[in-house]
This record gives sequence, structure tokens and C-alpha cells, in this order.
Amino acid sequence: GAGVSQSPSNKVTEKGKDVELRCDPISGHTALYWYRQSLGQGLEFLIYFQGNSAPDKSGLPSDRFSAERTGGSVSTLTIQRTQQEDSAVYLCASSSDRNAYNEQFFGPGTRLTVL
Amino acid sequence: AQSVTQLDSQVPVFEEAPVELRCNYSSSVSVYLFWYVQYPNQGLQLLLKYLSGSTLVESINGFEAEFNKSQTSFHLRKPSVHISDTAEYFCAVSDRGSQGNLIFGKGTKLSVKP
Repeated sequence: GAGVSQSPSNKVTEKGKDVELRCDPISGHTALYWYRQSLGQGLEFLIYFQGNSAPDKSGLPSDRFSAERTGGSVSTLTIQRTQQEDSAVYLCASSSDRNAYNEQFFGPGTRLTVL
Repeated sequence: AQSVTQLDSQVPVFEEAPVELRCNYSSSVSVYLFWYVQYPNQGLQLLLKYLSGSTLVESINGFEAEFNKSQTSFHLRKPSVHISDTAEYFCAVSDRGSQGNLIFGKGTKLSVKP
């Protein structure tokens, strides 16, 4: 079956612009996570969605970052007024439910470059 | 707060040699432990996980990891590596009572040379 998909695969933008990154989780998966993979920082948790519940935004690095999940499926991560330090690979993962022991299935990521 | 330390950022090794990738974690609560692997130009995928029970867990491609509670470690081992094992390996933990967000180490790049 189809895995987690993300778009675009690459995004180059100018400092100060807004960007939107999209994630399509595996059909039927209720839990969705966003992570950021940057040089020197490794993988960092950003935000978590479970079904239609309020998201856990505890990992978002600043108020320029926001995310939504429509209809309990597709998710969009928005970065406003991008900065060079936002350059990273943004990974989305989904899981069948919210249990911490479940495998997370990762998408291929979106590589964001802020010039 | 939880943290994961992978002491080696890069591990070069010759084909058919044994390898150990080290992982230590710190946490004030009980955790689940995971190893994820990222092959070149591919996404992250689960290699193996420890949930409970036997402290030794194995993957289908010959890797194994042992949970050591007293040393708070979860080292990954393989007795004989192949060229195809070249990848970046990430150790991760999640709080047993959490919604599952993973805390990752910074990764270890395993490079297997012929």
C-alpha cells in the first residue's frame, strides 16, 4: 500500500517568505508527527496530531511555525517569515494510533533551503 | 527531560567485520527504545524496538540490540556487516506514557567498505 508522502520534495525560498509543506499520512493512521532534521541538531520533534484532538505543539521552535491537519488526514506545516536557520529536512511520520510503542512510518521528507 | 546520546557520529568498517553502534539514554521515566535506519536516498524506517520482556531484540537482517537498564544503554550490534548495511542509524526513545513523539540521537553513519 501507499506510504507517507510529502510535497514538495525540495523547496528553495528567500529569507522572509512563507512556505507550506504538505504531508499525506498512511490511510487510516490517526497519529501524525512532524520532525525536523538539521545538520548538527539531528532529528527534533515539532508537533503531534491525534485524530481530531488538539495538537501537541510543544516542539515548535517559534511562533513562526504552525501546522494544521484537515479532516484527520492531510497535514500542512507552515513557516512564516523564513530564516536561514529554518533550512533543514522536514519529516512527517504517521502511526496507527497514539500509543508510544507503535512504529512510526516516515515520509521521504521535504528539503527546505532558505537563501 | 529525556535525551539520547550516540557517541560515534561515523563508524567505518570493512565488510564481514563485526560492528557495534552505541546508544545511551537518560530519562526519569520508563521508556520504549527504538533503532531507525536511513539508507542513502531513502526515508527513515524502523529496524528494531524494545518494549518489554527479553532484553535482547533482533531484526530480520541480522542486527540485534540489548537493553541494559543499569547502564541505560541500547547498543546495536551485528556480527558480520554487508556493503548494503551502509546507512545512518538513529537511536530513539519515547516515554511510555506519552503520545509517542520520539526523542532521537544525532545518528551514526555506518560506512561498510569492501
